[in-house]
Amino acid sequence: DTGVSQNPRHKITKRGQNVTFRCDPISEHNRLYWYRQTLGQGPEFLTYFQNEAQLEKSRLLSDRFSAERPKGSFSTLEIQRTEQGDSAMYLCASSPRYGPDGYTFGSGTRLTVV
Amino acid sequence: GNSVTQMEGPVTLSEEAFLTINCTYTATGYPSLFWYVQYPGEGLQLLLKATKADDKGSNKGFEATYRKETTSFHLEKGSVQVSDSAVYFCALSDDGGSQGNLIFGKGTKLSVKP
Repeated sequence: DTGVSQNPRHKITKRGQNVTFRCDPISEHNRLYWYRQTLGQGPEFLTYFQNEAQLEKSRLLSDRFSAERPKGSFSTLEIQRTEQGDSAMYLCASSPRYGPDGYTFGSGTRLTVV
Repeated sequence: GNSVTQMEGPVTLSEEAFLTINCTYTATGYPSLFWYVQYPGEGLQLLLKATKADDKGSNKGFEATYRKETTSFHLEKGSVQVSDSAVYFCALSDDGGSQGNLIFGKGTKLSVKP
């Protein structure tokens, strides 16, 4: 297994456009998480899935954000009508349902809204 | 709510100096505690963890002890190297250790000079 993979690595978009990011977790991990990290801050939780079920969403996840994990495998995070404030690093992590090792993070997708 | 407070950086040390990065937390219940490291241009990596009071996590010469009485999880290393230059994040697991959402501190940037 090559770890958690995120695509694209970088995305530059114009304000008002829609963007979609993809995360491929470690195959045996049931839980998948999305976080957002802005410059100089720690990651902030957005949402997570256990298998295909989205179990929790942060208040940070406005109506313009939607996440899916069809079939409990890869996940997508879509941002509609992007705003400059959406510029951040979007991190995906996966984790076993009960495990001692914490998360495995992907390298992230850096979004720049111009 | 639960939270993590880290000492503010940046921290600049000479090679072979002793490192301490302070981390305190506020939490109900018995969270698991983590230190993650983010090297320049890379994703977050788990450095060490502790799941209960008095546990000591250790890895790559770094150590941290879960102190429930002082609600602290300070990161230490006896002799830092230039390759330790990175941003270090303290985090807690929000649901008692069953790999729930992580709450991160703001991070502490460490620069080690030769």
